[in-house]
Amino acid sequence: GAVVSQHPSRVICKSGTSVKIECRSLDFQATTMFWYRQFPKQSLMLMATSNEGSKATYEQGVEKDKFLINHASLTLSTLTVTSAHPEDSSFYICSAAGQGSYEQYFGPGTRLTVT
Amino acid sequence: AQSVTQLGSHVSVSEGALVLLRCNYSSSVPPYLFWYVQYPNQGLQLLLKYTTGATLVKGINGFEAEFKKSETSFHLTKPSAHMSDAAEYFCAVSFYGNNRLAFGKGNQVVVIP
Repeated sequence: GAVVSQHPSRVICKSGTSVKIECRSLDFQATTMFWYRQFPKQSLMLMATSNEGSKATYEQGVEKDKFLINHASLTLSTLTVTSAHPEDSSFYICSAAGQGSYEQYFGPGTRLTVT
Repeated sequence: AQSVTQLGSHVSVSEGALVLLRCNYSSSVPPYLFWYVQYPNQGLQLLLKYTTGATLVKGINGFEAEFKKSETSFHLTKPSAHMSDAAEYFCAVSFYGNNRLAFGKGNQVVVIP
């Protein structure tokens, strides 16, 4: 149980365009979802926390107008990178947690390359 | 401030030898503790976790870790390394018992045949 999927697994987009990444909890209701960014050979950096039906809480230094997060249902959260630039190229990982749970379940990640 | 420390970004171990990855945290309240493994271009897989109870916890793939409150540590061990253990390992801590995680910088484990 506790499976989290992400789509797409890889995406290449041109500079200036927007790209949407989906994160789904397949077999449980995710009241909280987290979005992380991981640079090569580095740890995960938390970008934002989203609770279903509420606005996301962004970490310091993360541009909320650039990284739009929507958590409209208990099984789906989306991250939209707007007006992407090459420096946005990274590995984006989502995770999900159920009501009152301390444990996060991680998706397989999305490799974004902006050309 | 709460923090998680993993020393030694790269760890080389011979096949069949002991794997030891160190994790220390700073916190004034008891945390929940996790070890995750990440294979290239994949997400994180939970190896084991400590919340309450027995301080020695066993996880998947033969790994175990011991919570030592007096040392604020949660070191990960495996008695005998296997080639398939080559991966990145992250220690993570949930402070205040909520579901927000702080990650260590990770250890890249290389297994030498």
